[in-house]
Amino acid sequence: QKEVEQNSGPLSVPEGAIASLNCTYSDRGSQSFFWYRQYSGKSPELIMFIYSNGDKEDGRFTAQLNKASQYVSLLIRDSQPSDSATYLCAVDNYGQNFVFGPGTRLSVLP
Amino acid sequence: DTGVSQNPRHKITKRGQNVTFRCDPISEHNRLYWYRQTLGQGPEFLTYFQNEAQLEKSRLLSDRFSAERPKGSFSTLEIQRTEQGDSAMYLCASSLWDSLGPVISPLHFGNGTRLTVT
Repeated sequence: QKEVEQNSGPLSVPEGAIASLNCTYSDRGSQSFFWYRQYSGKSPELIMFIYSNGDKEDGRFTAQLNKASQYVSLLIRDSQPSDSATYLCAVDNYGQNFVFGPGTRLSVLP
Repeated sequence: DTGVSQNPRHKITKRGQNVTFRCDPISEHNRLYWYRQTLGQGPEFLTYFQNEAQLEKSRLLSDRFSAERPKGSFSTLEIQRTEQGDSAMYLCASSLWDSLGPVISPLHFGNGTRLTVT
């Protein structure tokens, strides 16, 4: 059974700080990794995806992937109160379905 | 690109009744997924289609659940004889699958259907 683990939080950071969200996955065969943001009562929205080892930057967001350690992270620079949400890590299951972690709640304090 | 559309947004039903949800995916997407999410949990996979073929169904999905995607366009998810434990947000998502590519494209979610079973 594939597993994706995340700290449930809440992770609290002050406005303007860097928020670091972590995710580990159990299956070394996974190839594709995704970060979604979900506001309370809303559906998940895609933030970033990463396929290769290393860093991928998009605006204030950086995804980091280390397949050897089976670890993927999301950094949010210059955190804003509007970034307060649950962040879901998702991993592909051999190109079939996607396995989601339980999510990490992020709270950015003004 | 009008996005993934789900109807209804909310459904309240009494235990034992049948309910049906509809999902219209992004038009050029060939894969359609159904997930279920309860409070404080991540989305849980239910089933997915590639075009009109249902390729996988979660072992967690009881026989009371059935999904269809006629003609590879919209999809319906039916729950028969609903139970209080079925109360959740039902999420539909679509993606574009390219069999020649080494990686999978992201899921794009609809707004979800929130089911409450009383």
